[in-house]
Amino acid sequence: DAKTTQPTSMDCAEGRAANLPCNHSTISGNEYVYWYRQIHSQGPQYIIHGLKNNETNEMASLIITEDRKSSTLILPHATLRDTAVYYCIVRVAGTGGGNKLTFGTGTQLKVEL
Amino acid sequence: NAGVTQTPKFRVLKTGQSMTLLCAQDMNHEYMYWYRQDPGMGLRLIHYSVGEGTTAKGEVPDGYNVSRLKKQNFLLGLESAAPSQTSVYFCASRFTGHSSGNTIYFGEGSWLTVV
Repeated sequence: DAKTTQPTSMDCAEGRAANLPCNHSTISGNEYVYWYRQIHSQGPQYIIHGLKNNETNEMASLIITEDRKSSTLILPHATLRDTAVYYCIVRVAGTGGGNKLTFGTGTQLKVEL
Repeated sequence: NAGVTQTPKFRVLKTGQSMTLLCAQDMNHEYMYWYRQDPGMGLRLIHYSVGEGTTAKGEVPDGYNVSRLKKQNFLLGLESAAPSQTSVYFCASRFTGHSSGNTIYFGEGSWLTVV
């Protein structure tokens, strides 16, 4: 799986959009970008994933650059409950190797009043 | 539908003692995983299973054993606990198949302290 690089921490004002960047310059053509988050002391929670097109769901939007070397997770209206560590993970979809997720240290997002 | 359930949630062990963590999922998932998370770090994979009766080593398997006798259960065993195994342990599961959307679901964690 390709390596990802994320900022260690970010702050965001409540009600504003939170834009979390991720670099994955060595991503290969069949690797997807996944985002998970971990609220303090809880198990990680799936947010969104994509291959090359931008994606949106009820939680967030995922913007992937045309060369696929970086992406941005957007929380459109951050709330205090979005304070968490956000993990950007790149992996191949399919059954090989048990489809393991490899976690880095992620970005600690702090949403403040 | 309980999802992924881990027991116990908290445990204190003495060095050298043994214990088993139980993970149960009611979603009929084929794949199951055990991760550990140390302070300030991301999750690291200990062992995983791609189906009943099969297990495989992950990134940090030493000092742990696992068993998958039933599809819905994945057990993590510590035969002789060491202080270095003090950590939070997370179990996870997912469907098999080639869909990229087969997301992984995590349990709420088990806090283990070895003194």
